[in-house]
Amino acid sequence: DTAVSQTPKYLVTQMGNDKSIKCEQNLGHDTMYWYKQDSKKFLKIMFSYNNKELIINETVPNRFSPKSPDKAHLNLHINSLELGDSAVYFCASSPLLKVKGLSTDTQYFGPGTRLTVL
Amino acid sequence: ILNVEQSPQSLHVQEGDSTNFTCSFPSSNFYALHWYRWETAKSPEALFVMTLNGDEKKKGRISATLNTKEGYSYLYIKGSQPEDSATYLCAFEETSGSRLTFGEGTQLTVNP
Repeated sequence: DTAVSQTPKYLVTQMGNDKSIKCEQNLGHDTMYWYKQDSKKFLKIMFSYNNKELIINETVPNRFSPKSPDKAHLNLHINSLELGDSAVYFCASSPLLKVKGLSTDTQYFGPGTRLTVL
Repeated sequence: ILNVEQSPQSLHVQEGDSTNFTCSFPSSNFYALHWYRWETAKSPEALFVMTLNGDEKKKGRISATLNTKEGYSYLYIKGSQPEDSATYLCAFEETSGSRLTFGEGTQLTVNP
């Protein structure tokens, strides 16, 4: 059984389009994340949700909007796609919002979605 | 902006060689240091989480050490095998908030 799944795996689209990437985790985790792997292959955090509530929002263009219908899902919607949005996007989840001294933020990653904007 | 650096960026070794690489991170606001293994076309997988200065963790032929006072961690692989070929990522977890800051990774290639 896949723990953290993303759909689609590949997404090729035209500049200016609006697209969504879906993420689902069946681990019962409370916290979910979106990362972007940049051209240098760095993993950079974009957003984090805990129990459907936004807790991290990095400096990301407001064309990117995460949506969490329930704690098992965190979807990423991107409006007006630009060439620079081409990247691999990874979803991840972790068990708990960290409580100091009690837990660490080990994250479980999805397989990634390769987005190509033409 | 947190600075998490890994060296070397890439490494080629022969099967059977032992090797190690470094992760350096801020020594303030330290909460935990994570190591991940990332094989091509797969997802990053957690190897170790280290929280205490002087921690040493081991998993088979792979081990890691932690020095929080000077801000570095070493990952060691003993008797490298071709299946160890992957990118090894470290990630710094600070005390405030639920966030990992990843290094760029060390890409290891083990030649048979």
